[in-house]
Amino acid sequence: EAGVAQSPRYKIIEKRQSVAFWCNPISGHATLYWYQQILGQGPKLLIQFQNNGVVDDSQLPKDRFSAERLKGVDSTLKIQPAKLEDSAVYLCASSPLKGHPYEQYFGPGTRLTVT
Amino acid sequence: KNQVEQSPQSLIILEGKNCTLQCNYTVSPFSNLRWYKQDTGRGPVSLTIMTFSENTKSNGRYTATLDADTKQSSLHITASQLSDSASYICVVSPKAAGNKLTFGGGTRVLVKP
Repeated sequence: EAGVAQSPRYKIIEKRQSVAFWCNPISGHATLYWYQQILGQGPKLLIQFQNNGVVDDSQLPKDRFSAERLKGVDSTLKIQPAKLEDSAVYLCASSPLKGHPYEQYFGPGTRLTVT
Repeated sequence: KNQVEQSPQSLIILEGKNCTLQCNYTVSPFSNLRWYKQDTGRGPVSLTIMTFSENTKSNGRYTATLDADTKQSSLHITASQLSDSASYICVVSPKAAGNKLTFGGGTRVLVKP
């Protein structure tokens, strides 16, 4: 079974620039998550989708971050404009709706450096 | 506020030795507690998942314990190998929060030959 795919793996941008990350979840997984992981900390949930609807975006800085999951499969996360404190690893995870507790499967992440 | 605290923040052990990582949580009630392993440059991978009614779960050389009364969990690594060098993250899923997870900050383990 193919895992969660993310691209790019690394990105370096200057502050105030924009950046977009892409995630392809495991086939058939209805739920998709974006997390932000700052160095030395645990992941923090940014947004959770179920199919193409948003379940939880309470910790998404909506003035600069946006995410979409068109057609309920792939997802993109965008930052515009980026700030220095956005430097982090952005993890995408997916989980099925069947089986409990629902296991979350993580992708390798995109490491963002804002200079 | 629901929190998950882990200790130590980091530790170094010699190959072949055992070690135990600690996790204290304030999440209550909770649905399940998980331990994840995160290799450098990779996403977390699930090691164990325990519901509130379980008090131990093993996965090879990894054994997790749970004391719901004291709100503590531990992860024991037996006969450590170089490949065990990673961060270990304790994660709690609050009840009635769907599949939302509360992550600890992790313990970074370095196994030396």
